[in-house]
Amino acid sequence: AQSVTQLGSHVSVSEGALVLLRCNYSSSVPPYLFWYVQYPNQGLQLLLKYTSAATLVKGINGFEAEFKKSETSFHLTKPSAHMSDAAEYFCAPLGVNYGQNFVFGPGTRLSVLP
Amino acid sequence: DGGITQSPKYLFRKEGQNVTLSCEQNLNHDAMYWYRQDPGQGLRLIYYSQIVNDFQKGDIAEGYSVSREKKESFPLTVTSAQKNPTAFYLCASRRPRQTYGYTFGSGTRLTVV
Repeated sequence: AQSVTQLGSHVSVSEGALVLLRCNYSSSVPPYLFWYVQYPNQGLQLLLKYTSAATLVKGINGFEAEFKKSETSFHLTKPSAHMSDAAEYFCAPLGVNYGQNFVFGPGTRLSVLP
Repeated sequence: DGGITQSPKYLFRKEGQNVTLSCEQNLNHDAMYWYRQDPGQGLRLIYYSQIVNDFQKGDIAEGYSVSREKKESFPLTVTSAQKNPTAFYLCASRRPRQTYGYTFGSGTRLTVV
């Protein structure tokens, strides 16, 4: 089965520093790619998505992600971390080779240090 | 505002009891899903339904049951056959096209006491 990899189960950054959360897919056919955020004891909220239109996608809360086919990646970035960004982040694919339903990996926990 | 409502937010179950988790949506979405989340793990699919009166097992359906009698409602029953039910349960819905992604409810935390 095709997989999605999120490198780093836990990432810590200082407040004001760059946030970089990594996501790589393995399919030869690029899937649709979504980033979700989950705050403690809450459901998941859609941050942004790539659906084969623009490769640089802007989302909510100042986050953005760039789809790079040559690197099979869809990394999530934010120029300046805020304390409120501390949460769990999930990269999830849909489409050819990944099926019609989301398959979520363990995610990446982001901690923001004062 | 449209959305998904899960109730209750916290639920306690005694050993051997069946409990039902509620999920209601007013988004007019056709597809609905139930996921289970355990600490440090991703979400695992329990059941999903693409249309009313039809549903399919996901990866971990054993010990769970669902119904889809109305488009708006997709309740999940955790039966006594589920040996380790303590977890965070998330309901989601989606319009037919994959590009829309899921809308999630706020979850129900089930604890066995």
